[in-house]
Amino acid sequence: QAVVTQEPSLTVSPGGTVTLTCDSSAGAVTSGHFPYWFQQKPGQAPKTLIYDTANRHSWTPARFSGSLLGDKAALTLSGAQPEDEADYYCLLFYNGASVFGGGTKLTVL
Amino acid sequence: EVQVVESGGGLVQPGGSLRLFCEASGFSFNNYGMTWVRQAPGKGLEWVSGIGSGEDTHYADSVKGRFTISRDNSKNTVFLQMSSLRADDTALYYCVKGAWGTQLDYWGQGTLVTVSS
Repeated sequence: QAVVTQEPSLTVSPGGTVTLTCDSSAGAVTSGHFPYWFQQKPGQAPKTLIYDTANRHSWTPARFSGSLLGDKAALTLSGAQPEDEADYYCLLFYNGASVFGGGTKLTVL
Repeated sequence: EVQVVESGGGLVQPGGSLRLFCEASGFSFNNYGMTWVRQAPGKGLEWVSGIGSGEDTHYADSVKGRFTISRDNSKNTVFLQMSSLRADDTALYYCVKGAWGTQLDYWGQGTLVTVSS
């Protein structure tokens, strides 16, 4: 199975903008991988933020946006809030089977 | 209100078996795929297995041949039968509404599986 790679950690200032990326060892990430992004805070179950590359769920704040950036999937946070400090995971589909990235620990500082 | 509730976790010896349950409510269960995801203590998320609305199934390489996913639409329940369990199967197992073709959206709170002698 493919290996999916994310930045291990990133830091953003309150009110700032940060982009997290999701790379696949199997080649370029495309919309056909239906990229997902999940947020997980300590002691909580993950929460789905973005599905199918760029679609927000009803509970996803508008400051989160998903896209394809070059050969990767990307999650951009614009106007970071203290409550956005969390672990973020991407997920890619490979013909049914799926693989998570290793996660990015985002610090808002 | 959509709810996904896992159960069946516990302590099992290496080489043993365990069956996890995921009971869903608040949506047309038979129209949706379902997915199992696990998280070892202090580690990241790992996709384990999924079952489509048509009962097609997929597995991670790490569990293929040892785990079996199935569903009973009459009981709005998806199962994960785990056998030949190893220490590295120790994790919190989450059930998630959705799979390929249907959005992964609602997560349960997880059920803990500990494989130890």
